[in-house]
Amino acid sequence: AQSVAQPEDQVNVAEGNPLTVKCTYSVSGNPYLFWYVQYPNRGLQFLLKYITGDNLVKGSYGFEAEFNKSQTSFHLKKPSALVSDSALYFCAVRDGGTNAGKSTFGDGTTLTVKP
Amino acid sequence: DAGVIQSPRHEVTEMGQEVTLRCKPISGHDYLFWYRQTMMRGLELLIYFNNNVPIDDSGMPEDRFSAKMPNASFSTLKIQPSEPRDSAVYFCASRAVGNSNQPQHFGDGTRLSIL
Repeated sequence: AQSVAQPEDQVNVAEGNPLTVKCTYSVSGNPYLFWYVQYPNRGLQFLLKYITGDNLVKGSYGFEAEFNKSQTSFHLKKPSALVSDSALYFCAVRDGGTNAGKSTFGDGTTLTVKP
Repeated sequence: DAGVIQSPRHEVTEMGQEVTLRCKPISGHDYLFWYRQTMMRGLELLIYFNNNVPIDDSGMPEDRFSAKMPNASFSTLKIQPSEPRDSAVYFCASRAVGNSNQPQHFGDGTRLSIL
């Protein structure tokens, strides 16, 4: 079984400040981890993924995420937030130890960046 | 690359009517997913296909829902008869062949309103 938890429904930050959106996961095998962003009236867009290798993964729009195996976490980060980063963010996991076709998505975190 | 194409973008119909949602995945992708998104329940996986074959339909809410994938470039999700509680945004997503470490690519969804 695989599961994802995004403990915060909402994250508010001021423009220019660093942001963190939290995600923890549970899988039986090796975790394949993904972050997606959703803007209003649009589908989810892929931001970045962790499969193996370096624990710090860099993605689109200046976002990065840190994989922590011992804490089973994959938090999304950005050093300096922009107002245009305001959106709904989803973390997802897939069990890389199987041939699982589907990912499990978290409930999403709404990020609001205030000017 | 045109991305995943869904039609229609918006559908408003009266309860009891048949509704058909359409999806064209990205060429060459061999996985196709149907999701439903609502404020109350978040993002739910309804069904997914691999090489045009339904693999897991455990998320389909009830017999009123059906999905088909007659070929690699087309899928439909049908609701018959429709009910007001089916109102939601329905997303289609596809994923590339081979490694399960590839992200999903989402269409922009169909916003369905059942009156």
